[in-house]
Amino acid sequence: AQSVTQPDIHITVSEGASLELRCNYSYGATPYLFWYVQSPGQGLQLLLKYFSGDTLVQGIKGFEAEFKRSQSSFNLRKPSVHWSDAAEYFCAVGQDGNKLVFGAGTILRVKS
Amino acid sequence: SQTIHQWPATLVQPVGSPLSLECTVEGTSNPNLYWYRQAAGRGLQLLFYSVGIGQISSEVPQNLSASRPQDRQFILSSKKLLLSDSGFYLCAANRGGNEKLFFGSGTQLSVL
Repeated sequence: AQSVTQPDIHITVSEGASLELRCNYSYGATPYLFWYVQSPGQGLQLLLKYFSGDTLVQGIKGFEAEFKRSQSSFNLRKPSVHWSDAAEYFCAVGQDGNKLVFGAGTILRVKS
Repeated sequence: SQTIHQWPATLVQPVGSPLSLECTVEGTSNPNLYWYRQAAGRGLQLLFYSVGIGQISSEVPQNLSASRPQDRQFILSSKKLLLSDSGFYLCAANRGGNEKLFFGSGTQLSVL
């Protein structure tokens, strides 16, 4: 069965510091992987997705994620965090158009 | 914590037939409720959200409608399904716009 683990419930980083949010998945076939962000007062927004090809994926707002098949991971990174990045981030796995399994989410706090 | 019940898990319907997907929430009162859809080639798309009984906001024009007859019940409906309505539908809830978002397990709808 598919599953997604986001081991960090909360993460706090200083503004300007680098960020890495962890995501591990379990999926029987080649996965489609997503990162979504929910900012305060807004719905979910797709940051980036991986279907195939280059394992380093660039997304919006300066985020990137790297698919590592050997580690079953799809970690989200940003080299320099801005205060507006404070939000909750969700990793998800599935076939596009089919059932999506979400991780529990990681709440990012940014301190100045 | 909140628990979201969503059913059915999978549904196959002919074109032109009606639709009713139900979502109920436990563990909180007066939640914000959301319906999302993931269609092929796209990320999760917010369809409707509700901040209270009878209060529905539609994010995109479409063949679907939503209703909230009770505080913790959110229903997604259609009078006549189209092929393009196929996709994965996800109900979500939180206690307010800034609060953690909880998801149902989703409904995979195939319109044939």
